[in-house]
Amino acid sequence: DAGVTQSPTHLIKTRGQQVTLRCSPKSGHDTVSWYQQALGQGPQFIFQYYEEEERQRGNFPDRFSGHQFPNYSSELNVNALLLGDSALYLCASSYRRQPQHFGDGTRLSIL
Amino acid sequence: GIQVEQSPPDLILQEGANSTLRCNFSDSVNNLQWFHQNPWGQLINLFYIPSGTKQNGRLSATTVATERYSLLYISSSQTTDSGVYFCAVEKGVNYGQNFVFGPGTRLSVLP
Repeated sequence: DAGVTQSPTHLIKTRGQQVTLRCSPKSGHDTVSWYQQALGQGPQFIFQYYEEEERQRGNFPDRFSGHQFPNYSSELNVNALLLGDSALYLCASSYRRQPQHFGDGTRLSIL
Repeated sequence: GIQVEQSPPDLILQEGANSTLRCNFSDSVNNLQWFHQNPWGQLINLFYIPSGTKQNGRLSATTVATERYSLLYISSSQTTDSGVYFCAVEKGVNYGQNFVFGPGTRLSVLP
């Protein structure tokens, strides 16, 4: 039973570019949440998708957007990349009142 | 929003020692989870424990919801226990909504 899978594992971009990160939830999970973890800090909630809609959003600008597909997989898009967007991006999936399970993350570096 | 504090921020132990990590939160919560983030960035579920006590091998956790704190106990520590331990809480009815992480406790276990 595959857990939460994220791709790519590492990514290098330059300022101003756009990036798309992908997440496949754990089998049986229908809810996907995205988090940003800056170096030395705890993860911060970006947004959550359920039934292909954004259900809740954290304190992140509109440059951060997402999508959920009918198979529950999800994408995180970030436009107009800034140096401060360099971070580990974590995807978590869950089903109703069960605990969240996290993927291994995508490490994004902005030059 | 909910504030989460963790103590101590850093902990260095000799292999075989025991330790207690603490998580304080500022409001009532529906969900509390403890995670271990290993040196490779993988975030591993340890406990889902909004209240009560649970044990899993050398690890155990207790949450006293009425007093808004949770404790993680590590007994007979091993070098593989090194990493950052995060407490995360949420108020939302739907799991994963606006999950708030504490700043973490960085544990180093020396051989």
